[in-house]
Amino acid sequence: ETGVTQSPTHLIKTRGQQVTLRCSSQSGHNTVSWYQQALGQGPQFIFQYYREEENGRGNFPPRFSGLQFPNYSSELNVNALELDDSALYLCASSQAGQPKEQYFGPGTRLTVT
Amino acid sequence: GESVGLHLPTLSVQEGDNSIINCAYSNSASDYFIWYKQESGKGPQFIIDIRSNMDKRQGQRVTVLLNKTVKHLSLQIAATQPGDSAVYFCAENVNTDKLIFGTGTRLQVFP
Repeated sequence: ETGVTQSPTHLIKTRGQQVTLRCSSQSGHNTVSWYQQALGQGPQFIFQYYREEENGRGNFPPRFSGLQFPNYSSELNVNALELDDSALYLCASSQAGQPKEQYFGPGTRLTVT
Repeated sequence: GESVGLHLPTLSVQEGDNSIINCAYSNSASDYFIWYKQESGKGPQFIIDIRSNMDKRQGQRVTVLLNKTVKHLSLQIAATQPGDSAVYFCAENVNTDKLIFGTGTRLQVFP
């Protein structure tokens, strides 16, 4: 186990709704990255947070937003959910400047109907 | 553009045999590459990495080979075991803020 936890484990939402996913980073890690993993695909980078600010973003629209808190935990918010947002959302924690040490949580499975 | 892909979506091997999983990448600026293992219901687990100034790196039962000339990466697993059954991803680090993953290869180990 990596020490990275995510909640909830599973979630079902309706198109147009909003969702918040949560991640607690591994002890000693100050950076959190979020990834979206569609079924049968590799994870795709959404964004990263460091020192409570966004530190890099992938090709995702503004309705994907996030927060990082002083204890380094993080939230991923998705507004106006679309069917294609159905995926496994992974959180990874690391120390700044050491991307190879990205430790992944088990993910949150989001289903949009 | 940036992309990391895999040649084989599914690889079936007999227990005890060696496995080779391949990966192609397109970004010459990447400074290192990582192999992850993902079991059902779990997040990706780090296996081994290699920097762009290296050609080969060995771990416990695993070896990663990097051929920068043809932009090819491979993961070799010696004496494959049932517990090795999983989906394997190569990932490319473009800068310190993100990893670019390939689509994955499913490794199936049969007795």
